[in-house]
Amino acid sequence: GAVVSQHPSRVICKSGTSVKIECRSLDFQATTMFWYRQFPKQSLMLMATSNEGSKATYEQGVEKDKFLINHASLTLSTLTVTSAHPEDSSFYICSAKEGADTQYFGPGTRLTVL
Amino acid sequence: GENVEQHPSTLSVQEGDSAVIKCTYSDSASNYFPWYKQELGKRPQLIIDIRSNVGEKKDQRIAVTLNKTAKHFSLHITETQPEDSAVYFCAASKGSGTSYGKLTFGQGTILTVHP
Repeated sequence: GAVVSQHPSRVICKSGTSVKIECRSLDFQATTMFWYRQFPKQSLMLMATSNEGSKATYEQGVEKDKFLINHASLTLSTLTVTSAHPEDSSFYICSAKEGADTQYFGPGTRLTVL
Repeated sequence: GENVEQHPSTLSVQEGDSAVIKCTYSDSASNYFPWYKQELGKRPQLIIDIRSNVGEKKDQRIAVTLNKTAKHFSLHITETQPEDSAVYFCAASKGSGTSYGKLTFGQGTILTVHP
């Protein structure tokens, strides 16, 4: 299957700082990428849909000013967690859609906010 | 919006036995149903998927069945092996409208295969 990378894999930051996470589709172009959040032993919760060249669509309850998404090219989407707080600590995973519906996931980023 | 229910939440089997995980969905417009396997701390990996124009799909030891009328689909793993132990997620999406391509996930099933 298609390959999606995510960077960094792990980040620890102080409360109040901003963290940027990159998601790349390595061997295909993805007009649509998705950002998920996963708490321990729980399912994946969709945060937002990222479309190349347009504004992201956020799910209900997700603060768009808190979680900034940019999809500047067909192979790169970024998620910036602004003014991070301990409650933002989580596993963030991106996915990229290939074709009409198949999604391939990145390896995830473990964010710890102290 | 779409709602996907997955059962059971945990499943324990002996090596060589079969395992079945079931999901139901609420939106009759959903037409794509993938299954993902996630090992601890790793990414979900697509193991099989099915589209609404077929009722069954098989790939070696893994098969998925879909009943559009009843709005449920199931994952079947035969001849289970210890390396099949992981969390399995079902999902549903529809290929049109504002929800185009969005996956709604089930709650997950922790499968444990005992040697």
